[in-house]
Amino acid sequence: ILNVEQSPQSLHVQEGDSTNFTCSFPSSNFYALHWYRWETAKSPEALFVMTLNGDEKKKGRISATLNTKEGYSYLYIKGSQPEDSATYLCAFRHDYKLSFGAGTTVTVRA
Amino acid sequence: EAQVTQNPRYLITVTGKKLTVTCSQNMNHEYMSWYRQDPGLGLRQIYYSMNVEVTDKGDVPEGYKVSRKEKRNFPLILESPSPNQTSLYFCASGGAEALFEQYFGPGTRLTVT
Repeated sequence: ILNVEQSPQSLHVQEGDSTNFTCSFPSSNFYALHWYRWETAKSPEALFVMTLNGDEKKKGRISATLNTKEGYSYLYIKGSQPEDSATYLCAFRHDYKLSFGAGTTVTVRA
Repeated sequence: EAQVTQNPRYLITVTGKKLTVTCSQNMNHEYMSWYRQDPGLGLRQIYYSMNVEVTDKGDVPEGYKVSRKEKRNFPLILESPSPNQTSLYFCASGGAEALFEQYFGPGTRLTVT
């Protein structure tokens, strides 16, 4: 079982503030790094799939960067809104196997 | 509408009684997978399938079986369920053109007593 770690486990953000959090994964045997957004009582939804070192992806106020050499990815939320409250999961793909981190739960306070 | 469907959505059963959770996708995806979600542990992959008749173990395959006889269907079979298989189960599918980005089903809440 490959170790995919996310930190912090949870964070609280004031509405309008920006935040970021980390996904760490093995730097060898890398195929892709996925990010998902998971709202309470719903199913996870894909945000990004990243494959290349130095990759940057953006969707609205959410963006992500990837460093495959050192084995980490950052997810950024700019100008957090209450609807950004969710658990954000990363998943490391090695061959066709996907290993998920435990997630970072973001709570945005109005 | 593109979707992954799972049935049943909720199931309470007893130890040892064989059960099957069905999963179907209408997006012609090559890749399908089963996950279980337990508090504090995140999603853990049980089995995955790259195509018809091609399946492989994920991180937690013990106590589960799968089959992929048709591209759209990927049932999860618990031959002899035990209480430690009480969990929330998700089926997902993904296409090669989207780098196997996972589309998740609605989840199946299983309780084994």
